[in-house]
Amino acid sequence: DQQVKQNSPSLSVQEGRISILNCDYTNSMFDYFLWYKKYPAEGPTFLISISSIKDKNEDGRFTVFLNKSAKHLSLHIVPSQPGDSAVYFCAASAVIIQGAQKLVFGQGTRLTINP
Amino acid sequence: NAGVMQNPRHLVRRRGQEARLRCSPMKGHSHVYWYRQLPEEGLKFMVYLQKENIIDESGMPKERFSAEFPKEGPSILRIQQVVRGDSAAYFCASSPFSGTDTQYFGPGTRLTVL
Repeated sequence: DQQVKQNSPSLSVQEGRISILNCDYTNSMFDYFLWYKKYPAEGPTFLISISSIKDKNEDGRFTVFLNKSAKHLSLHIVPSQPGDSAVYFCAASAVIIQGAQKLVFGQGTRLTINP
Repeated sequence: NAGVMQNPRHLVRRRGQEARLRCSPMKGHSHVYWYRQLPEEGLKFMVYLQKENIIDESGMPKERFSAEFPKEGPSILRIQQVVRGDSAAYFCASSPFSGTDTQYFGPGTRLTVL
């Protein structure tokens, strides 16, 4: 039962262009969404998050869009840089049991930025 | 300000042995989460702990796995009688509060069972 899905296992983008990573979810109880970036042999690094009361959140080159009716979110990176090459994970949570934030992760999308 | 620390970074065990994974949360963080990542998969929640309390262990296998977060010292994830299927990367995360606070991850422990 995959509640959070990233249907593209990989994505290749030219340096300077926009990278768009997509994520779909099935559980309507999810109310908080995050994107993490992961390099090999390291832990995930937090990038950006969005609450279900918003439809957009921006932080520098990173913007996350949330479409609740479609249960879809996307991460836009512009302009893309070689250092952005990594695996990107989408994660979602619903506040349960004393506010525990159990994160449910997608399978990840490997982003490669070509010079 | 040190981040989340995990040790060891790599652990090799033979089938039937015990594995102990340690996690020191970020300073000021009292909430600890453990996740497991199998090859080519996303991270899967295992357990959520506060000091001296297990809050949610719904993702932890019922047998052989246990976790603790004592009043003093790091959080420990313990796997008894390891099997080859336990080979994975185990990540610890911490947050200052629960709810919508961001979780910050450690570098992970890569467990290999021979």
